[in-house]
Amino acid sequence: ILNVEQSPQSLHVQEGDSTNFTCSFPSSNFYALHWYRWETAKSPEALFVMTLNGDEKKKGRISATLNTKEGYSYLYIKGSQPEDSATYLCASPSSGGGADGLTFGKGTHLIIQP
Amino acid sequence: SQTIHQWPATLVQPVGSPLSLECTVEGTSNPNLYWYRQAAGRGLQLLFYSVGIGQISSEVPQNLSASRPQDRQFILSSKKLLLSDSGFYLCAWSIVSYGYTFGSGTRLTVV
Repeated sequence: ILNVEQSPQSLHVQEGDSTNFTCSFPSSNFYALHWYRWETAKSPEALFVMTLNGDEKKKGRISATLNTKEGYSYLYIKGSQPEDSATYLCASPSSGGGADGLTFGKGTHLIIQP
Repeated sequence: SQTIHQWPATLVQPVGSPLSLECTVEGTSNPNLYWYRQAAGRGLQLLFYSVGIGQISSEVPQNLSASRPQDRQFILSSKKLLLSDSGFYLCAWSIVSYGYTFGSGTRLTVV
């Protein structure tokens, strides 16, 4: 079983400010790193799937970086808006095919204050 | 397009009662199917996964079971619910190595 950890557990950010949070995972036997955005009472929404060391992906104001050698990924949100309030989850598969599912971190609960 | 249906959205059940949660996928064939649970204060935990009809793998010992009677149907069951079975249950599917799509979840409260 993988050990995927996220920090901080929760984060209050002022609207308009930028923020970032961390996901750490075992650097050995790495296959992929997923980021999801999860709003209450909705399905987790896939943000990024990252596989290559040094990879950087962007979706609007949200971006993510990946360091597989040291086992961490950062998620950045630029110019936070109230609609960014959600729990952000990272996850990693324990096998290359991913058929046996993902191991999730506990998430970072982000609250954007107007 | 592919969709995933999960029901009910909320459920309140007494201790000792049975449970059946259903998940169906549309618009794809032979998906990998998953049941996850988020208990209070914990992260999403994989309960079961299935790579084909009748094939079920369990990740953790528990009071629950899963079945896949049809290619696009995944059912989570319990004969007698415990208080510790309370949580948020999510069904998910994947068809390629690294793409997962989740249902909208079921909030189960055992009283």
